Amino acid sequence: QQKVQQSPESLSVPEGGMASLNCTSSDRNFQYFWWYRQHSGEGPKALMSIFSDGDKKEGRFTAHLNKASLHVSLHIRDSQPSDSALYFCAASGATSSGQKLVFGQGTILKVYL
Amino acid sequence: EAAVTQSPRNKVAVTGGKVTLSCNQTNNHNNMYWYRQDTGHGLRLIHYSYGAGSTEKGDIPDGYKASRPSQENFSLILELATPSQTSVYFCASGGDWGESEQFFGPGTRLTVL
Repeated sequence: QQKVQQSPESLSVPEGGMASLNCTSSDRNFQYFWWYRQHSGEGPKALMSIFSDGDKKEGRFTAHLNKASLHVSLHIRDSQPSDSALYFCAASGATSSGQKLVFGQGTILKVYL
Repeated sequence: EAAVTQSPRNKVAVTGGKVTLSCNQTNNHNNMYWYRQDTGHGLRLIHYSYGAGSTEKGDIPDGYKASRPSQENFSLILELATPSQTSVYFCASGGDWGESEQFFGPGTRLTVL
């Protein structure tokens, strides 16, 4: 079983709508959580990180972390067609000798006009 | 911005042939990574490196070798390519700490016939 599970597998929202992506991990050693975004034909790119319990807001994007339940979410308000992409949740543990990320299987987001 | 480049971008190989995928980074990161991306599996770590001369096995190393001859360059080698290794391969570089971001290259699409 994957250590990082994402849901839903795919999501369609109208332009201007709210998209909510979820991620649950099964390893309590994970301390750092990331959301990566991948547009078609490109490599993944870090969207935002969250390391502390609670909310973190960056523009239209808000990440929420609950370490007790090992649950991370990403909420995109006022969704735009350019937000259509594959979104990965990723997690890593504390280390000073080289970080290793564990990725979820991804959520495909489609924003339609 | 950190830069990671990969070559070739596309490769068609024959079963049993040798394939070498190359990666170069200009951000002076100690750590470099090779992932493969397959639908439904997200990004899976094949090999990684903490610095020049070092290589470590990731989660799915079977059938792959890696080489890190310098800080900037990291290669993935398929000595005897098989059709099951048809995939998109991504190289990434990143810092030493758990909270470090990873920077990805544009990917190499490999088809083994």
